[in-house]
Amino acid sequence: DGGITQSPKYLFRKEGQNVTLSCEQNLNHDAMYWYRQDPGQGLRLIYYSQIVNDFQKGDIAEGYSVSREKKESFPLTVTSAQKNPTAFYLCASSPGTGLNQPQHFGDGTRLSIL
Amino acid sequence: AQKITQTQPGMFVQEKEAVTLDCTYDTSDQSYGLFWYKQPSSGEMIFLIYQGSYDEQNATEGRDSLNFQKARKSANLVISASQLGDSAMYFCAIRAYSGAGSYQLTFGKGTKLSVIP
Repeated sequence: DGGITQSPKYLFRKEGQNVTLSCEQNLNHDAMYWYRQDPGQGLRLIYYSQIVNDFQKGDIAEGYSVSREKKESFPLTVTSAQKNPTAFYLCASSPGTGLNQPQHFGDGTRLSIL
Repeated sequence: AQKITQTQPGMFVQEKEAVTLDCTYDTSDQSYGLFWYKQPSSGEMIFLIYQGSYDEQNATEGRDSLNFQKARKSANLVISASQLGDSAMYFCAIRAYSGAGSYQLTFGKGTKLSVIP
């Protein structure tokens, strides 16, 4: 079955530590996205990538980094510069970034501070 | 910039009844898309329905329909014959041009729907 796989489902970070969230898709989609969701809030865009080896900052990119070396993979690193990383992180993909293309989401990763 | 407003933090509906979830939007773009997503307690976001700004007919998908009133900038989701499995958070989102040749999604804060047996 085609879909988006995020791992791990739960992740704990120590102070000063970088952690990487994995996102893999087998939908052959060109565009991929990372969102952050805080309790009682909607989703906010961290980074997006329209094509391999290219990515753009979203609304809340500070303290995060990404790479897009393969079409299928778009890992997100939460760096020690992100002072409030506790949140639910969702990865998404779409065939392109056109107006009428819905984004399809993974199951998410819950990140907490130890 | 785009904005979505969902004024109902929580809604209750009796099983088998219809329910309307409100969504108003703000954009200066003439071309845009409106989306509704469902988020169960497990966390995944499930795409429900799409309406384009130039679509004259309201979108429908199974028991879901989108009541699009362009002049009022309103895109309400109507769920007919509610089922217990419809209990979830529901998010309205708008997709409009955000520069660099791409269209980005802006989400509202969501409405929590609870279906009562």
